[in-house]
Amino acid sequence: QAQLVESGGGVVQPGRSLRLSCAASGFSFSSHAMHWVRQAPGKGLECVGLISYDGSEKHYADSVKGRFTISRDNSKNTLYLQMNSLRAEDTAMYYCAGEVGAKIIDHWGQGTLVTVSS
Amino acid sequence: DIQLTQSPSFLSASVGDRVTITCRASQGISSYLAWYQQKPGKAPKLLISAASTLQSGVPSRFSGSGSRTEFTLTISSLQPEDFATYYCQQLNSFPWTFGQGTKVEIK
Repeated sequence: QAQLVESGGGVVQPGRSLRLSCAASGFSFSSHAMHWVRQAPGKGLECVGLISYDGSEKHYADSVKGRFTISRDNSKNTLYLQMNSLRAEDTAMYYCAGEVGAKIIDHWGQGTLVTVSS
Repeated sequence: DIQLTQSPSFLSASVGDRVTITCRASQGISSYLAWYQQKPGKAPKLLISAASTLQSGVPSRFSGSGSRTEFTLTISSLQPEDFATYYCQQLNSFPWTFGQGTKVEIK
């Protein structure tokens, strides 16, 4: 049974940094691309970015490009999201999600809430 | 970026109704479209990939169709557990994007 568990969320002041983690188990983490998706309170879903299975390829939403960095440690089955220069509009539930095949995102975590507020 | 527009944004229906949600892309995306269901406080659940492939364990009352710029999600007979918000997502070109969502509520 695949499981993704996010951690690291919390309340942070504007301009500060935060790192989210996502621990994976129950599937071949190192073989599949991984994603971060966020959802602001009461709003829709937004793709934050993705990383290829080996970390060689990364893509980001324009809204976070240059501020957020996705990385992974396949030896630890863990995905990361480093968030710098946080803004109020980054306030959201952050989900990690994993592909089960090419362009099929079928593993989701329960999410971790990030609140950017002074 | 490719924009996805879902219609309607809100839908009120009764149990047993046939429901159709449309997703239109601002440019052609072949069949690289997925549909998700999300219930309050929960993560999205993948229903359909590649425009029309039903995921394992998803009831057969759900179906998807379409290609290029116009896609539909159909629920043939709405059940109580289907009341949720539905999102389409394009996976054709980066950044992958979602539609704004369609909330299906009980009439």
